[in-house]
Amino acid sequence: GNSVTQMEGPVTLSEEAFLTINCTYTATGYPSLFWYVQYPGEGLQLLLKATKADDKGSNKGFEATYRKETTSFHLEKGSVQVSDSAVYFCARGTSGGSYIPTFGRGTSLIVHP
Amino acid sequence: DTGVSQNPRHKITKRGQNVTFRCDPISEHNRLYWYRQTLGQGPEFLTYFQNEAQLEKSRLLSDRFSAERPKGSFSTLEIQRTEQGDSAMYLCASSPPPDGYTFGSGTRLTVV
Repeated sequence: GNSVTQMEGPVTLSEEAFLTINCTYTATGYPSLFWYVQYPGEGLQLLLKATKADDKGSNKGFEATYRKETTSFHLEKGSVQVSDSAVYFCARGTSGGSYIPTFGRGTSLIVHP
Repeated sequence: DTGVSQNPRHKITKRGQNVTFRCDPISEHNRLYWYRQTLGQGPEFLTYFQNEAQLEKSRLLSDRFSAERPKGSFSTLEIQRTEQGDSAMYLCASSPPPDGYTFGSGTRLTVV
């Protein structure tokens, strides 16, 4: 089937630590891949995206590379800040004729000073 | 056009009442999606429109739920005879072809 699997949280880090949040997907073909961020009480905001294999999406120090061979799109940041504390969602775009994006369950990130 | 707008931001209603939410998408986006999100979960697909046509509905969308997009612009989501299990954040997103999704801030529904 078509699905998105994220590592379970919460992920708790100290400020300036390195962050990795794993995401793998299943799909027909090669869909666009996205990371969204959600702050408390807010909707989802697009963080970054990649539209084809080997593309690297980046924004605000976050990066993710579209890995076709491992069907993964792991999110990384070299040095997290307290303000990065939020829930992060990996998502798969249109696939196999379906125009319905699929989201992972989200990974909560807590960054301590 | 500053993005996807949802109204109201919050709604508290008594069980059994009907509620209606509105979503105004980005004007040039032809696809519009409704999702439901409960605490600690990712968004769950409810339904989507391409222009004014409702092309797919999730089985989560019981017969108490109805959505419209009459002129291919704004959309409404109505829940009739609300139940406590309907309490959630209702998210709207719009998308241009071929891909990419912009979300509104959501409507948080509390059924008491």
